[in-house]
Amino acid sequence: EVQLVESGGGLVQPGGSLRLSCAASGFTFSSYWMYWVRQAPGEGLVCVSRIKSDGTTEYADSVKGRFTISRDNAKNTLYLQMTSLRADDTAVYFCVKGISWDWGQGTLVTVSS
Amino acid sequence: DVVMTQSPLSLSVTLGQPASISCRSSQSLVHSDGNTFLNWFQQRPGQSPRRLIYKVSNRDSGVPDRFSGSGSGTDFTLKISRVEAEDVGDYYCMQGTHWPLAFGGGTKVEIK
Repeated sequence: EVQLVESGGGLVQPGGSLRLSCAASGFTFSSYWMYWVRQAPGEGLVCVSRIKSDGTTEYADSVKGRFTISRDNAKNTLYLQMTSLRADDTAVYFCVKGISWDWGQGTLVTVSS
Repeated sequence: DVVMTQSPLSLSVTLGQPASISCRSSQSLVHSDGNTFLNWFQQRPGQSPRRLIYKVSNRDSGVPDRFSGSGSGTDFTLKISRVEAEDVGDYYCMQGTHWPLAFGGGTKVEIK
């Protein structure tokens, strides 16, 4: 059974940084593209980044230059390093497995002073 | 970037009656490999999204057959043949053909 468990969310001040993690199990992590999708409170879904199985990364324009996606295949873990955080980055961040689009439970990031 | 436009914004449906959600993309979703990567997701209140339909019309494992997807090119539809109480929630289309991936704005389904 695919399991994706996000962690690392919390309250951070504008301009601050945070690193999200997603522990994956139940599948061969290294073989799959992985995604981070966020959902602002009461809003829709936005894909902010993806990393292919070969390590190639892509970003939405709204986070390019501020967020970095990475993966550690030895630890079956996906990361999202977020810097220069802004109020409009406030959202639940979901880790998503490619192909089957299995989702984690999400972790809430709140950017506020 | 591709823009996905869903309608209606909300739908109030009597139990046992059909429901239909439309999704339109700003450009063709036909990939160079011939596939059309149009997915439908359901998000029940307080839960993570769950994929229902992939590549326009393929139901995911465990998805009831009252859900069906259709369409081509830039116009797509999700149909629920007979709405049940457990179908309450938000529904999103998503294109996976072009980066950045894009979701529709969502359709809220409630029971009348």
